[in-house]
Amino acid sequence: KQEVTQIPAALSVPEGENLVLNCSFTDSAIYNLQWFRQDPGKGLTSLLLIQSSQREQTSGRLNASLDKSSGRSTLYIAASQPGDSATYLCAVRPANQAGTALIFGKGTTLSVSS
Amino acid sequence: GAVVSQHPSRVICKSGTSVKIECRSLDFQATTMFWYRQFPKQSLMLMATSNEGSKATYEQGVEKDKFLINHASLTLSTLTVTSAHPEDSSFYICSAALVEPGAEAFFGQGTRLTVV
Repeated sequence: KQEVTQIPAALSVPEGENLVLNCSFTDSAIYNLQWFRQDPGKGLTSLLLIQSSQREQTSGRLNASLDKSSGRSTLYIAASQPGDSATYLCAVRPANQAGTALIFGKGTTLSVSS
Repeated sequence: GAVVSQHPSRVICKSGTSVKIECRSLDFQATTMFWYRQFPKQSLMLMATSNEGSKATYEQGVEKDKFLINHASLTLSTLTVTSAHPEDSSFYICSAALVEPGAEAFFGQGTRLTVV
């Protein structure tokens, strides 16, 4: 059964730092991987979608990489800002399970201080 | 990106009553919708998969008679929590996606249910 793990669970950095969030998954048979942002008490905002055939995706200060064979993805945030403070969730769409629902990690809660 | 609208965002109900949560895909026809539940500081756990015009598929451990799901059209799915109890208090989030395997999933704003 597919499992998704995110490390670290929490991270505090000063404004301006570059940082990396890690995501690993146990089964490399996936269709795609998505990174989301969740603010407290709110729904999910999709940040980046990486298809299984892709190695990375970029959007503004965010860059996500995917190494499907090793079951790893990273989310790189450049020049962090206080507004980046949120929980970041990684999710995969399994390719060998019934249905197409995403499987989520527990998230990394990021706090950026000014 | 596509928009998924979920209502209400917050609801407080008395124990024993039922609560309906709506999930609408506003700019695309979602053949499949998903309902998740999220406990504090925990991951999103899939409750059920809803396909338009057919019965929902529930995950193991989810009571289908307590969590009624209806997906009557390609743009609307509803989750009804029947005879709610305090332990049903949680954050419920819906998601909509096209059937293609590589399709991006879009999420609603979530509903904070508090049962008193």
